[in-house]
Amino acid sequence: KNQVEQSPQSLIILEGKNCTLQCNYTVSPFSNLRWYKQDTGRGPVSLTIMTFSENTKSNGRYTATLDADTKQSSLHITASQLSDSASYICVVSVGFQKLVFGTGTRLLVSP
Amino acid sequence: NAGVTQTPKFQVLKTGQSMTLQCAQDMNHEYMSWYRQDPGMGLRLIHYSVGAGITDQGEVPNGYNVSRSTTEDFPLRLLSAAPSQTSVYFCASSGTAINEQFFGPGTRLTVL
Repeated sequence: KNQVEQSPQSLIILEGKNCTLQCNYTVSPFSNLRWYKQDTGRGPVSLTIMTFSENTKSNGRYTATLDADTKQSSLHITASQLSDSASYICVVSVGFQKLVFGTGTRLLVSP
Repeated sequence: NAGVTQTPKFQVLKTGQSMTLQCAQDMNHEYMSWYRQDPGMGLRLIHYSVGAGITDQGEVPNGYNVSRSTTEDFPLRLLSAAPSQTSVYFCASSGTAINEQFFGPGTRLTVL
């Protein structure tokens, strides 16, 4: 069964600190993995998309890693800001037609 | 360039009523899709379209209809609303299913 699991479910960190969110997946065949940021009351916005051959991809203070062997990905946020408070969703493409969504990690950055 | 637009933003229906959620995109994307998002669950695919005139069912299609007469528009119809359809609905578009998806702002639907 194609599945995407994210951890932790929720996280609270102090402004300025770093954090890492995890995504484990069991899908076949794998096409790509993406991370989305979803602010409360808004639609998800793409942060990164990585294919099988990419290990790391950055978008400003966001850095995603992918280990295709262990089927794990992480999203690292550096020097967090209050505006980083959001849900972060890991999504894996299965073949060329299907997307499998994780349930997300809810991050709260506290001043 | 408006991206993906959705209307209405909020809607309250009574059980049994029908309505259409509108979705439009101006990026000339072939692939469009509808999702629902419920608390504690990931986004679930309702219906999708790979181009004008072509639609297919997703993970949770029951109670919903779609059509794709133009590249730009992809409306979602609720035939006879039920309380179980209370949710937030997102429309998304992309060049293909595996390209970067652009999401609309969502429609929050409550069925009483």
